[in-house]
Amino acid sequence: DGGITQSPKYLFRKEGQNVTLSCEQNLNHDAMYWYRQDPGQGLRLIYYSQIVNDFQKGDIAEGYSVSREKKESFPLTVTSAQKNPTAFYLCASSLGGKWNQPQHFGDGTRLSIL
Amino acid sequence: GDSVTQMEGPVTLSEEAFLTINCTYTATGYPSLFWYVQYPGEGLQLLLKATKADDKGSNKGFEATYRKETTSFHLEKGSVQVSDSAVYFCALSDYDNQGGKLIFGQGTELSVKP
Repeated sequence: DGGITQSPKYLFRKEGQNVTLSCEQNLNHDAMYWYRQDPGQGLRLIYYSQIVNDFQKGDIAEGYSVSREKKESFPLTVTSAQKNPTAFYLCASSLGGKWNQPQHFGDGTRLSIL
Repeated sequence: GDSVTQMEGPVTLSEEAFLTINCTYTATGYPSLFWYVQYPGEGLQLLLKATKADDKGSNKGFEATYRKETTSFHLEKGSVQVSDSAVYFCALSDYDNQGGKLIFGQGTELSVKP
C-alpha cells in the first residue's frame, strides 16, 4: 500500500539537543510538507519542498531545518534554537504541489521535552 | 492574507442527528477548499474537496458546497454515527499560493453519543 511513514511515533528531547523526525513516502509525489499542530489549533506550515534539493520556509520555520536529498524522503530537524518544540508534527505530500491537489498525511510524531 | 474560520467546538450530538460544521474563508485568489478529518492520535485524512465555485464535494455521507458568494464551505451529514467522532478541519489552498500550501481552520471537535 502506498502512503507516508513517519517515525518515531513518540520522541523525547533533552534541553540543548537536536532531534530529527523521519518522513518517507512511496506515493511518487513531488511535493512534501511539514506541519506543526498544537492543542486546539489548526496546523501551521514549517517547511515545504516541491522538488528534490529545493525547499522553502513556511510560516514558522525558525528553529527548524530540513533536507530533500531524495524524492521519497523529507526529514525535519528540530534544533535547540526552537524554544517551544513540544507539539505534534505531521508530514504530508502531494502529487505536484498544485493548489487543487489534496495533501496526504502521515500519522505524525509527538515530540516532548524531558 | 488568506484565512479560514470554523465554528468552535466541541460539538456534541446524538447518533442519527443532523450535522453542520460551519466554515468561512478569506482568499485573494481562486482557492480550492478541503475538509480533513483527524481521529485521536492519528494524522489527517482527506474527507472531501471542491476546486471551483458551486462544486459539491461528497464522501461517506458527508457533503460540502463551495459557495463563492458567501465565501463558505459548510460540512453537513444527514445522520451521524458514533464512529464519526473526530476533529474536522476546513482548509484552503489559493491559486497563487506557491507550492500548494494549505491554510487550516482551528478544527472542530465532534463527539457523537449513542
